[in-house]
Amino acid sequence: QKEVEQDPGPLSVPEGAIVSLNCTYSNSAFQYFMWYRQYSRKGPELLMYTYSSGNKEDGRFTAQVDKSSKYISLFIRDSQPSDSATYLCAMRNTGTASKLTFGTGTRLQVTL
Amino acid sequence: ETGVTQSPTHLIKTRGQQVTLRCSSQSGHNTVSWYQQALGQGPQFIFQYYREEENGRGNFPPRFSGLQFPNYSSELNVNALELDDSALYLCASSLAPSGRDEQFFGPGTRLTVL
Repeated sequence: QKEVEQDPGPLSVPEGAIVSLNCTYSNSAFQYFMWYRQYSRKGPELLMYTYSSGNKEDGRFTAQVDKSSKYISLFIRDSQPSDSATYLCAMRNTGTASKLTFGTGTRLQVTL
Repeated sequence: ETGVTQSPTHLIKTRGQQVTLRCSSQSGHNTVSWYQQALGQGPQFIFQYYREEENGRGNFPPRFSGLQFPNYSSELNVNALELDDSALYLCASSLAPSGRDEQFFGPGTRLTVL
């Protein structure tokens, strides 16, 4: 079993829809949770960064962390065609040399 | 502020050869981590460098090695290339190696092994 599970999709939604992306994890030591956006053949771009449980909002993006359920989510409101990309969840613990552990990524397509 | 840069962009090698990939960290960042991303997968941690020393390693064989220089730039070396080494190699820099610090990725080097 992988430490981080993420539905690979693809997920296709119409422009303007609310998108929900999710990851589950098994390692209770994870304390920092991130969402990265990756366009085809490019490096991941950091979208959201949260510590421990709770919500964080930034523009059209909202990240939620539920440590009791080992479940994290990213919501995208008013989705745009430019949001079409692969979304990677990532997490790590508090130690030094704290590597990021990624999900496989969910491919999102926002159609006109 | 300059972001993370990597070179070369693309590389084609044959099985058994050796390759060196380069990374310049973001201004002010002293920690560099390397990841391997196979097609359709999330990045996998290879190792991290801090103060010119290896500061943690993932589940990769010793033929994957690295260096960090006094200006915090870094190299990833892979010896005896195998077909499965074909992947996007990503470098990420951060202010420090602690868990609090965000990691920012470069555009990657796409390696093809024939």
